[in-house]
This record gives sequence, C-alpha cells and structure tokens, in this order.
Amino acid sequence: DVKVTQSSRYLVKRTGEKVFLECVQDMDHENMFWYRQDPGLGLRLIYFSYDVKMKEKGDIPEGYSVSREKKERFSLILESASTNQTSMYLCAHRGAEETQYFGPGTRLLVL
Amino acid sequence: AQKVTQAQTEISVVEKEDVTLDCVYETRDTTYYLFWYKQPPSGELVFLIRRNSFDEQNEISGRYSWNFQKSTSSFNFTITASQVVDSAVYFCALSEVDSSYKLIFGSGTRLLVRP
Repeated sequence: DVKVTQSSRYLVKRTGEKVFLECVQDMDHENMFWYRQDPGLGLRLIYFSYDVKMKEKGDIPEGYSVSREKKERFSLILESASTNQTSMYLCAHRGAEETQYFGPGTRLLVL
Repeated sequence: AQKVTQAQTEISVVEKEDVTLDCVYETRDTTYYLFWYKQPPSGELVFLIRRNSFDEQNEISGRYSWNFQKSTSSFNFTITASQVVDSAVYFCALSEVDSSYKLIFGSGTRLLVRP
C-alpha cells in the first residue's frame, strides 16, 4: 500500500511562531506536493518538489517555504505563523500515471 | 485555461438510492488525466479512480461506476445502492501534461447518505 504520513493530525500554534509540517512517503517517488484546503476555496497548491533540493512555487506560496533534503521527506515551513494560515494542510506524492496520493492531513490552528 | 466544475455543492439521499456526482472539465491539452477522490470526515483524501484522455471506457468497481465522455467533457461518478459510509466530500480533479501534471481540483460535492 502507498503510504504518506504527516507529523501531526492537529496542531495549535501562536501568531509569530515558526511552524514545521513534515511529510514522509515510503515509495521513493520524486514528486511531492503541499496543499492547503479551506472552506469555499477548495484545495490550493502551495509548493511542490520534483526532486531532492528542487522546489517550485504553487499558486499560493506567500508566507511559506519548503525543504527537501531527502527524497522521502518534504517539509512545509511557516516562517512566522499568522491567523490567516489556520487551515487544513495536505501533503501528497505522485506515483504512476500522474496519480497523487495524499497523507491524512494536518489541521493547524494559529491563535 | 484548465478548469474543473462540480456544480452540485451538496446532495442528500436515503440509503440504497443511486446517486450521480457530476464533473465537467475544460482543457486545451489532448493528453490529460482525470481523477476522483473521496474525503471522509477524517480529512484524508482517498484516491478512487484515474482515467487518461485516450481511454473512454467506462469503469465499474463494485457499487461505483464512472462515465467518461470526451464529447461533453464530463467524467461523472455514480454510486449504486448508496450506504451511510459513502457520506463524504467527493472531488474531481484534472492534470495536464502542459501544466507539469499539477492537479486542478473541482470545488467538491458533499454527499450525505441518510439511513
């Protein structure tokens, strides 16, 4: 079975904190993605990576950065969390025939 | 420009009813993939099916079936004899070779199956 894990299911942080969201896949796939999901706005792509140390901005990269030091791990970083970053964050990796497989998601609340 | 439209925001049915979720897409590519995902209340997006643009064969998997029609740019999803466990949000998505296969999601259809 394809497996994607995310470091936390629920996270509460304070405004201004630096936040790390971790995603790990066990399929040795090159392409990994971070999305956020908000009511009424659907899923929006934040960043993606097509190989180690390679990254590309998605549709809404502002306020975020990413790190891909190892193939299996793709981290999303909120440099200084703000309340408008309260959201559901979903990580995915891309397997055969362009299919993306998602992790369980992290619900982040920024107070 | 690429776009996926799921016009039905919410559907409510009684258990054992059949239900069809609509998906209409726009693309200028000739090579693309279409997907359906299920998001139960737990939040995880679960992959259900993939179709490439060269394969218009309909597919059936148990109570689920998919109807892909290029002529109408539609990729509809039918659940036969719905069950309470089918209650979830369902997303249709498109990926195109010209967009580096990034996924474009529809806004989702919330399905509620009542006992």
